[in-house]
Amino acid sequence: AQKVTQAQTEISVVEKEDVTLDCVYETRDTTYYLFWYKQPPSGELVFLIRRNSFDEQNEISGRYSWNFQKSTSSFNFTITASQVVDSAVYFCALSEAGGANNLFFGTGTRLTVIP
Amino acid sequence: DTGVSQDPRHKITKRGQNVTFRCDPISEHNRLYWYRQTLGQGPEFLTYFQNEAQLEKSRLLSDRFSAERPKGSFSTLEIQRTEQGDSAMYLCASSLAGTAYTGNTIYFGEGSWLTVV
Repeated sequence: AQKVTQAQTEISVVEKEDVTLDCVYETRDTTYYLFWYKQPPSGELVFLIRRNSFDEQNEISGRYSWNFQKSTSSFNFTITASQVVDSAVYFCALSEAGGANNLFFGTGTRLTVIP
Repeated sequence: DTGVSQDPRHKITKRGQNVTFRCDPISEHNRLYWYRQTLGQGPEFLTYFQNEAQLEKSRLLSDRFSAERPKGSFSTLEIQRTEQGDSAMYLCASSLAGTAYTGNTIYFGEGSWLTVV
């Protein structure tokens, strides 16, 4: 069975602070994919990153970075120097190889960046 | 490259009425998904198509729900005899079928909000 846990329901930070969003996953598959999506108030889910289970390299994209650790089944997301435009709900998701490759989502973390 | 588009964006309907949502995927994508999202929750998978074939349905998709993708392009999701519990956002998404190595990235539309009163 697949499960994604985002224990942080809501986080508030002051602009320019760094913030880390936690994601812990469970799967029995050896090949799987992890994702982060951003959902602003408009409702659209915006794709941020995909990571394959066999690639544990961390990734940095501008102010965003992701830390993937198979040993702890975690895929955490850090925003450095947060901005008001980062305010949104962030979802971590898991898909398994084969079949529909459909996504199993966590319950999301609402990030509010205070100016 | 246009994204996934959905119509209507908002729908208010009376309990017992039928509603239909339309989704136009990214043009070269052969996979199309429907998800449902309620307040405070992550999206939940409903069903998916590869080209025109509906290959998987979630147990969430009751008999009152039907989805079609007649020519492997746009899709419709119909809910018959709506109930208040159907109130949610219905998200459409599309992707290219990937390999076991690459997986596939699913791109979402802006969603169709349904309110059943």
